[in-house]
Amino acid sequence: NAGVTQTPKFQVLKTGQSMTLQCAQDMNHNSMYWYRQDPGMGLRLIYYSASEGTTDKGEVPNGYNVSRLNKREFSLRLESAAPSQTSVYFCASSLDRLFSTDTQYFGPGTRLTVL
Amino acid sequence: AQSVTQLGSHVSVSEGALVLLRCNYSSSVPPYLFWYVQYPNQGLQLLLKYTTGATLVKGINGFEAEFKKSETSFHLTKPSAHMSDAAEYFCAVSDLRERTGGGNKLTFGTGTQLKVEL
Repeated sequence: NAGVTQTPKFQVLKTGQSMTLQCAQDMNHNSMYWYRQDPGMGLRLIYYSASEGTTDKGEVPNGYNVSRLNKREFSLRLESAAPSQTSVYFCASSLDRLFSTDTQYFGPGTRLTVL
Repeated sequence: AQSVTQLGSHVSVSEGALVLLRCNYSSSVPPYLFWYVQYPNQGLQLLLKYTTGATLVKGINGFEAEFKKSETSFHLTKPSAHMSDAAEYFCAVSDLRERTGGGNKLTFGTGTQLKVEL
């Protein structure tokens, strides 16, 4: 099992450019999440998908869009990148059975710099 | 809304000394609480979690945490620090919904960087 994989590992963009961060999991998990990590701020939830075909906003959704392509894949898109979106982005997934609190498993992260 | 406060953004201990990382939470409903560890240039991995039942929770690598409702705390401890424990540690609280499904959103603290010195 590869677990949660993310591509790319590193990316540099210019202000106004767009890009899509890819995430895939091979654990047959129902729920998937996108977080951003900034120094001194911990991890903040951008968007999540509780199941295939559904997506919901998290704490900091502005400037992002997501697609739950299928059960395995959950992508994050920046339509017009801004320097404030310079961050490390983590994808996570969890089984999320009803009446349980399943562990979230994290990918290795994507380091994004917007110039 | 729930929140998590981690006291001390940086903690330094000597190898072999007690590790104590503090976490206080705020939640209007009984919380589910987690500790995650992040090694340099890696993603987060779960150390331990509290859901219900026994309030003293044991995790991986010799870490444990105790849920104290009266103090709204979930501090992480390890009796004897090892150099390999140097990492950033995050406390998190889960969003308790009606359990009708809908994902399991975590609210993270700002993290504590643990340094272990010889």
